[in-house]
Amino acid sequence: DAGVTQSPTHLIKTRGQQVTLRCSPKSGHDTVSWYQQALGQGPQFIFQYYEEEERQRGNFPDRFSGHQFPNYSSELNVNALLLGDSALYLCASSRTSNQPQHFGDGTRLSIL
Amino acid sequence: ILNVEQSPQSLHVQEGDSTNFTCSFPSSNFYALHWYRWETAKSPEALFVMTLNGDEKKKGRISATLNTKEGYSYLYIKGSQPEDSATYLCAHANAGGTSYGKLTFGQGTILTVHP
Repeated sequence: DAGVTQSPTHLIKTRGQQVTLRCSPKSGHDTVSWYQQALGQGPQFIFQYYEEEERQRGNFPDRFSGHQFPNYSSELNVNALLLGDSALYLCASSRTSNQPQHFGDGTRLSIL
Repeated sequence: ILNVEQSPQSLHVQEGDSTNFTCSFPSSNFYALHWYRWETAKSPEALFVMTLNGDEKKKGRISATLNTKEGYSYLYIKGSQPEDSATYLCAHANAGGTSYGKLTFGQGTILTVHP
């Protein structure tokens, strides 16, 4: 039973570019949440998807957008990348929004 | 308390020591408190989800308590082992409205257990 998988594992971009990160949830899970983790901080909630719609959103600008597909997989898109977007991006899935979340290994995004 | 705060930030103990850390969170509109263990080069692993005031949960040598009225949770590790070395994260979920299901994480407690 595959857990949460994220791709790619590492990514290097330059300022102003756009990036798409991908996440496949654990089998049987229908809710996907995205987090940004900067060095020395806990994960910061970006948004949550359920039934292909954004249900919750944290304090992130509109440059951060996402999508959930009918198979529950999800993408995180970030436009007009800034140096401050360099972070580990974690995807987590759960059966419903109030159950323990299962995390992927994350995508390490570096902005030059 | 407006945010989720964890203390201490880091902790070094000897193998066999028992230890505990604290998570403080807003006591209003409480829904759930999550604990996760995050080992280096791995993904965070769920330990407990606690919802009721006075709740106590146990998993092997690790246990946790919850006080929703005063807004804190304790995580205890009995007889620490080197493999317990990890960052321990707590996360708070609000009840109702648009914040339902959103987890707010603390900054974590980094535990190092020395052989």
